[in-house]
Amino acid sequence: RKEVEQDPGPFNVPEGATVAFNCTYSNSASQSFFWYRQDCRKEPKLLMSVYSSGNEDGRFTAQLNRASQYISLLIRDSKLSDSATYLCVVTYAQGAQKLVFGQGTRLTINP
Amino acid sequence: NAGVTQTPKFRILKIGQSMTLQCTQDMNHNYMYWYRQDPGMGLKLIYYSVGAGITDKGEVPNGYNVSRSTTEDFPLRLELAAPSQTSVYFCASSMSNQPQHFGDGTRLSIL
Repeated sequence: RKEVEQDPGPFNVPEGATVAFNCTYSNSASQSFFWYRQDCRKEPKLLMSVYSSGNEDGRFTAQLNRASQYISLLIRDSKLSDSATYLCVVTYAQGAQKLVFGQGTRLTINP
Repeated sequence: NAGVTQTPKFRILKIGQSMTLQCTQDMNHNYMYWYRQDPGMGLKLIYYSVGAGITDKGEVPNGYNVSRSTTEDFPLRLELAAPSQTSVYFCASSMSNQPQHFGDGTRLSIL
């Protein structure tokens, strides 16, 4: 079983739609959780951290369920510029964060 | 703002050749990391460093070596290039418990 699993997609949704991604992780000792965004042939960039209480950043909402070991990302009112691959990331260490990446979920927003 | 700088951006090697991928950061980050990303996959940690003079193996270190003689630089060396090392290589840096900043990546093909 992979340490971090995501539905690879692709997800194709119309502009303005709401889309949700889920991610599961296998190690209950995981300490920190993130969503990264990666555009085609570019480096990953931090989208948002994920906190136990859930957190929101504009149109983006992240949720963490430690008991079920899953993380979610909700994108509301999707824009064409949201087209990218979304990477679920967990860490197991304090200090030097050894990130473990999911394979990513590819999202395409259609006009 | 330079951030994390990787060179070269592209390289083609023959099997058995050696090369060094350069990474430098100007943010005075203690921690630096090397990842590889194969097509359609998430990133996998090769090596990381918590400070000058200290390095440690990640998930996929075989076939690679690193050094950290200064805070700024963290080169990755391939001694005997193999086709399985064809990948995109990302360098990243961070402060303790802070999100990682990634370089633009080096696309390496071994033929």
